[in-house]
This record gives sequence, C-alpha cells and structure tokens, in this order.
Amino acid sequence: QQQVKQSPQSLIVQKGGISIINCAYENTAFDYFPWYQQFPGKGPALLIAIRPDVSEKKEGRFTISFNKSAKQFSLHIMDSQPGDSATYFCAASGNTGFQKLVFGTGTRLLVSP
Amino acid sequence: NAGVTQTPKFRILKIGQSMTLQCAQDMNHNYMYWYRQDPGMGLKLIYYSVGAGITDKGEVPNGYNVSRSTTEDFPLRLELAAPSQTSVYFCASSYSGGRQTQYFGPGTRLLVL
Repeated sequence: QQQVKQSPQSLIVQKGGISIINCAYENTAFDYFPWYQQFPGKGPALLIAIRPDVSEKKEGRFTISFNKSAKQFSLHIMDSQPGDSATYFCAASGNTGFQKLVFGTGTRLLVSP
Repeated sequence: NAGVTQTPKFRILKIGQSMTLQCAQDMNHNYMYWYRQDPGMGLKLIYYSVGAGITDKGEVPNGYNVSRSTTEDFPLRLELAAPSQTSVYFCASSYSGGRQTQYFGPGTRLLVL
C-alpha cells in the first residue's frame, strides 16, 4: 500500500519529442505528488508537484497529469531536449503522521540529439 | 547558502569497518533525512529527524544509527559495514514534512569490499 509503481525503467526520446513517465499508487491517503529530477552525480531536485484537487499542472515544458479515480499520475515533457536527460522519480506523501515521501523506482531518460 | 553538504564524496570500506557520513544544512530546516539509492530501487528512507534530539527509523534502518544534536547536522553512522551497504547515500532537509520540498545533498558513494 505504501508503494509507488513507476514505468518505464528507461526511455529514449528524440530531441523535440514528448517524454511520458507514468506512476501508480494504492494508498488513497496520499495527497501530494511531486516529481524529482536527478542528473548524474547529483542529488535529486524537485521539478514539479501536484495535489489531487487538480487534474493537471503545467510548468514550462513539464506537465503533470493526475487521475484520482485511477490512482495514476504522469509526467509529460514536451519538446524534449538533450539537457532533459536525467533520472526522474515520482513520489507521494500522505496527510497524516510523519508524511514521509515514498519514491518510485525512477526512470532514466535519454534525449538523443 | 551552501544548502545541504555531505562528506565524504566517496569512500571504500572493508567489511566490518565503521564510518560516519556527515551531513549539514544551513537553511534552518527542522526536518532532515537519510536515504540510500540503489540501481533500479529508487530512494529508500533510512532514518529521519524532525528536530534536534528527535530521530526515528525509516524503511531500511538496520545497520545504521543517527544522532541530531543540532539543527544543522545529521550524521549517519555505519557500524560493522557489510557489502549490502554498498550504495549511494543522500542526505536531505526540508522546512517541515510531507508537502514541503526536500533539498538533497550531492551524495556519498560508499563501496564495501
């Protein structure tokens, strides 16, 4: 119930294409869904986050789509660029107790020039 | 602001040795965390702290210990290192829990032989 399942494990997209990474969860107490971006040799950094009261959030080329009934959310990267090549982690946290972040297993994205 | 700093960057340990991974933050954050990152496994929470003098176990605490004597510092102690502790360790901090952004350090790569 505490898991966040992320797919695909790796993704290759051509420059200018759309990258799509999907996550699914079981715990209905989760109410905060961030995405973290990690470049090689660096720590993860918050990219974008959404709460379940909206179905979509957009920041520049990055969009989170959220489907509460299906308990799924996804990251779309429009006009993907080689500089977007990184590992992306979805995560979720609840609204009771410690509210720890539960991370997905990560997706390694490579955007080819 | 230096943010979250970690030392050392890389260390090789022999089985049975002990060491302390250092973590410091200068953002006056109350919450601090230790994660380990293994290939294909995402980020697993080892220990966390909600303030000086208060620590608690995460998902994978066995073989580790922590202390939090100040707001700034949150060292992670490995006793009797084992090959299973070969990993990349990340320290993170946030103002509070759950929905607050976690800021990660650059990581410590540990190899136990």
